[in-house]
Amino acid sequence: DTGVSQNPRHKITKRGQNVTFRCDPISEHNRLYWYRQTLGQGPEFLTYFQNEAQLEKSRLLSDRFSAERPKGSFSTLEIQRTEQGDSAMYLCASSLVGDTEAFFGQGTRLTVV
Amino acid sequence: EDQVTQSPEALRLQEGESSSLNCSYTVSGLRGLFWYRQDPGKGPEFLFTLYSAGEEKEKERLKATLTKKESFLHITAPKPEDSATYLCAVRRRDNFNKFYFGSGTKLNVKP
Repeated sequence: DTGVSQNPRHKITKRGQNVTFRCDPISEHNRLYWYRQTLGQGPEFLTYFQNEAQLEKSRLLSDRFSAERPKGSFSTLEIQRTEQGDSAMYLCASSLVGDTEAFFGQGTRLTVV
Repeated sequence: EDQVTQSPEALRLQEGESSSLNCSYTVSGLRGLFWYRQDPGKGPEFLFTLYSAGEEKEKERLKATLTKKESFLHITAPKPEDSATYLCAVRRRDNFNKFYFGSGTKLNVKP
């Protein structure tokens, strides 16, 4: 098992463009999470999937953000009409059902210029 | 509002100088407290899970403990390679859907 994989690792985009990130979780994990982290802060929850169902979405997540997890496997996070305030590290994590820990990928660093 | 507070924000130690990091939490029913290590530009790396007061976990120079209000990460005789940001997260009993993170403690161990 290679762990949680995220692509791309870095993305620079112009303000107003759309971007999409991909996350491949650990294969037997049916829970998948997206978090956002800015410099000097801890990760902030964005959304959560159990299998293919998106069960919770942060109130902080604007309508420009959408996430999918087709067939309960990989997940994508799309940001439409990017703004400079979207610049951050986007982290994906996965876990088994239950009280278990989550394992994080290396993140995608987004810079909006 | 649930909160996870970590202290200190930053800690400088000499190699071999033991110390502790603190994570205090106020959640309505704890369903796990998690410690992670994060190196610059990388994702958090899982260290420990603690579930109940009095529980302890150890790994190499690190030892995590849990009380009803806080957790400590004790670092014994640290080495420069222990330099990283240490994050604490909690999970609530009535919401398994997310982890609530603190802002972390940035540890710098000088040789």
